[in-house]
Amino acid sequence: EIVLTQSPDFQSVTPKEKVTITCRASQSIGSSLHWYQQKPDQSPKLLIKYASQSISGVPSRFSGSGSGTDFTLTINSLEAEDAAAYYCHQSSSFPYTFGQGTKLEIK
Amino acid sequence: EVQLVQSGAEVKKPGESLKISCKGSGYSFTSYWIGWVRQMPGKGLEWMGIIYPGDSDTRYSPSFQGQVTISADKSISTAYLQWSSLKASDTAMYYCARHDTSSSWGAFDIWGQGTMVTVSS
Repeated sequence: EIVLTQSPDFQSVTPKEKVTITCRASQSIGSSLHWYQQKPDQSPKLLIKYASQSISGVPSRFSGSGSGTDFTLTINSLEAEDAAAYYCHQSSSFPYTFGQGTKLEIK
Repeated sequence: EVQLVQSGAEVKKPGESLKISCKGSGYSFTSYWIGWVRQMPGKGLEWMGIIYPGDSDTRYSPSFQGQVTISADKSISTAYLQWSSLKASDTAMYYCARHDTSSSWGAFDIWGQGTMVTVSS
């Protein structure tokens, strides 16, 4: 089973800051890595697919990069509405897995 | 509009059986994999398994294999997650979600609203 390890687990940030969340896979997964945002009491929402592909309707301040084992989700100029948990997810080999999540708090 | 609508919240006793549903609309239900994801209270997302409604090909996480059954009825565009004997540790929110392509290696682009399952004596 491929283990995805996110860092940090928690981050407290101020609006307009740039935020970077990383996801490391226990073995190479190519570009089969996706990012989701989950706000309290809501269903997860797809932010970035296949490591760096943008999603229609998602603000352009969200971007993704990486391949192989190391991936990054970047949020440029953080806004208050970005307070949420963020998860990475691999669909390279079964069983597919999620990272443990990163909780973002806005100061 | 493409959407997945899940059945309502359930409160059950340990040992009881349960089947929750996820109805797809606005797209070709038989052409996209549907997955199930567990979220225990205050915890992260866990991938349980996926099914291709076109031919009922199903893949499970080893953590859930034998504990739940994933199925689909393509005639009514509905996927299911069922338990034969619930435990208190099954208490969680369960989400269904659709892959973004017809391949088995997709991202989950459409999510249901979630079904809360509470198991308590």
